[in-house]
Amino acid sequence: EPEVTQTPSHQVTQMGQEVILRCVPISNHLYFYWYRQILGQKVEFLVSFYNNEISEKSEIFDDQFSVERPDGSNFTLKIRSTKLEDSAMYFCARADIGETQYFGPGTRLLVL
Amino acid sequence: GQSLEQPSEVTAVEGAIVQINCTYQTSGFYGLSWYQQHDGGAPTFLSYNGLDGLEETGRFSSFLSRSDSYGYLLLQELQMKDSASYFCAVVRNAGNMLTFGGGTRLMVKP
Repeated sequence: EPEVTQTPSHQVTQMGQEVILRCVPISNHLYFYWYRQILGQKVEFLVSFYNNEISEKSEIFDDQFSVERPDGSNFTLKIRSTKLEDSAMYFCARADIGETQYFGPGTRLLVL
Repeated sequence: GQSLEQPSEVTAVEGAIVQINCTYQTSGFYGLSWYQQHDGGAPTFLSYNGLDGLEETGRFSSFLSRSDSYGYLLLQELQMKDSASYFCAVVRNAGNMLTFGGGTRLMVKP
């Protein structure tokens, strides 16, 4: 059973379009994270979210990216104007304590 | 900068023991985690070492030496289903982020 669910499982979009990726935790957790993995490469940290605030972000997480938890449940990652190089698998992760992070099944994003 | 080094590929036979090493150089080190990832799947948490020493979870064990900036994952009694990529990941900044290594592709042969 996944620790979190993610929707959609696949998304195809045109360059320059906005996309919203969603993460739904199974139960209440304190810590949420977004990671991405370009095909064949390692997993890269994007952002961590604790107590409804960004606690850490990487250099990848520029102004094109934003996160929020709009309804106190879903955790979303928005990419405002997608680029070809945003094509990747995006993973949401959750943790009760930061050391042990559990990943969702991912959303495969393809930017054309 | 941050760097984690692990072998790119390892091959072993069913029933054998394999050790995957990981050396790291990073700021804000908090601990070392290991994840398994099958092709097309999500990373699955295997183990975490916050202190020096060995942690054992079934067939898998993980070791950390903070003074040597080194850790390893030990897989015993290898099974075909263990064929996957294994990533070491440094837990940084009190758990606020994971920095992953490049991954080790393990192939288990009959």
